[in-house]
Amino acid sequence: DAGVIQSPRHEVTEMGQEVTLRCKPISGHDYLFWYRQTMMRGLELLIYFNNNVPIDDSGMPEDRFSAKMPNASFSTLKIQPSEPRDSAVYFCASSRGHNEQFFGPGTRLTVL
Amino acid sequence: AQKVTQAQTEISVVEKEDVTLDCVYETRDTTYYLFWYKQPPSGELVFLIRRNSFDEQNEISGRYSWNFQKSTSSFNFTITASQVVDSAVYFCALSERRSGGSNYKLTFGKGTLLTVNP
Repeated sequence: DAGVIQSPRHEVTEMGQEVTLRCKPISGHDYLFWYRQTMMRGLELLIYFNNNVPIDDSGMPEDRFSAKMPNASFSTLKIQPSEPRDSAVYFCASSRGHNEQFFGPGTRLTVL
Repeated sequence: AQKVTQAQTEISVVEKEDVTLDCVYETRDTTYYLFWYKQPPSGELVFLIRRNSFDEQNEISGRYSWNFQKSTSSFNFTITASQVVDSAVYFCALSERRSGGSNYKLTFGKGTLLTVNP
């Protein structure tokens, strides 16, 4: 299996622009998670899905952030409009049931 | 609310030394899972181990071993004969198993940066 795939790996954008991060989970996994990692706050869970349905989005910072999972093999995390404080590494992870989560390589986002 | 504390922010050792990374957790649930992940300088997060709350047996995998003690709410990780390639940030994490099935939230500690010097 190819593992969790994320794109792009790096994104540099200007404040106010829309950013879309993409994730393809491991085939057969029914959970998908979006995390954000910063030096100040560590690893934070933003939102997670079970069978394509959002279960908990309490970690989403504000309305500028949105996430979708239109099917079992694809999810997006969108930031609109982006701000410099959104600069971070965003990880997508997936799991089969309550087993270990497998993480993608991450997207390093820089908002200027 | 669940909480994971990794009190050691940074540890530096010389190659071949043994090193223990501490993890203390808080939870009100009787059923939960504990994890360790490794994040090397390349940035990816690598799964190391998963332990459920009903299994207090210690685990050994090569140079890695884990000591789970419910009495002290600790899940410590020991690397024996450390090597330079062990240099990474290590995260401990906790997941509670709530009724309702689909609830599955992983809370991570702040991580411990381990540097193994040659």
